[in-house]
Amino acid sequence: QKEVEQDPGPLSVPEGAIVSLNCTYSNSAFQYFMWYRQYSRKGPELLMYTYSSGNKEDGRFTAQVDKSSKYISLFIRDSQPSDSATYLCAMSGFNTDKLIFGTGTRLQVFP
Amino acid sequence: EAEVAQSPRYKITEKSQAVAFWCDPISGHATLYWYRQILGQGPELLVQFQDESVVDDSQLPKDRFSAERLKGVDSTLKIQPAELGDSAMYLCASSPLSGGSLDTQYFGPGTRLTVL
Repeated sequence: QKEVEQDPGPLSVPEGAIVSLNCTYSNSAFQYFMWYRQYSRKGPELLMYTYSSGNKEDGRFTAQVDKSSKYISLFIRDSQPSDSATYLCAMSGFNTDKLIFGTGTRLQVFP
Repeated sequence: EAEVAQSPRYKITEKSQAVAFWCDPISGHATLYWYRQILGQGPELLVQFQDESVVDDSQLPKDRFSAERLKGVDSTLKIQPAELGDSAMYLCASSPLSGGSLDTQYFGPGTRLTVL
């Protein structure tokens, strides 16, 4: 069993839809949770990160962490065609910067 | 805006040949990472440098892969000999802080390797 599980998709939604992306994990030592966006043929770029449980909002993006369920989510409101990319969750334990990535979910937003 | 530079962007080679990838991190960043991303999977850490020292190379296949960061600035990742299973995207990332503290990792555009 992988430490981080993520549905690979693809997920196809119409413009303006609310998108929900999710990851589950097995290692209870994970404390930092990140979402990266990766456009085709590009490197990942950090979208959001949260520490421990709770919610964090940044514009159209909301990240949620539920440590009791070992489950994290990224919500995208009013999705745009420019949001079409692969979204990777990543996690790290306390006092380490080693990231463990999910497999990524490919999202396509069509006009 | 400062970026992580990588070259080449694409490399096609035949199995058993040697290949090398170069990475120039963002100026002043102490920590440098090399990741391998197989198509359809997330990046996996190969090696991490803190300045010129290796911090973690536990996932680096040392029989064929080597990495160096001689002056603590740019870095080279080498594969010799390349195998078909090495076909992947090789990503370099850097972060400003010392290892052991979480800080944003900035990724370069990657080198896509195809081994024939």
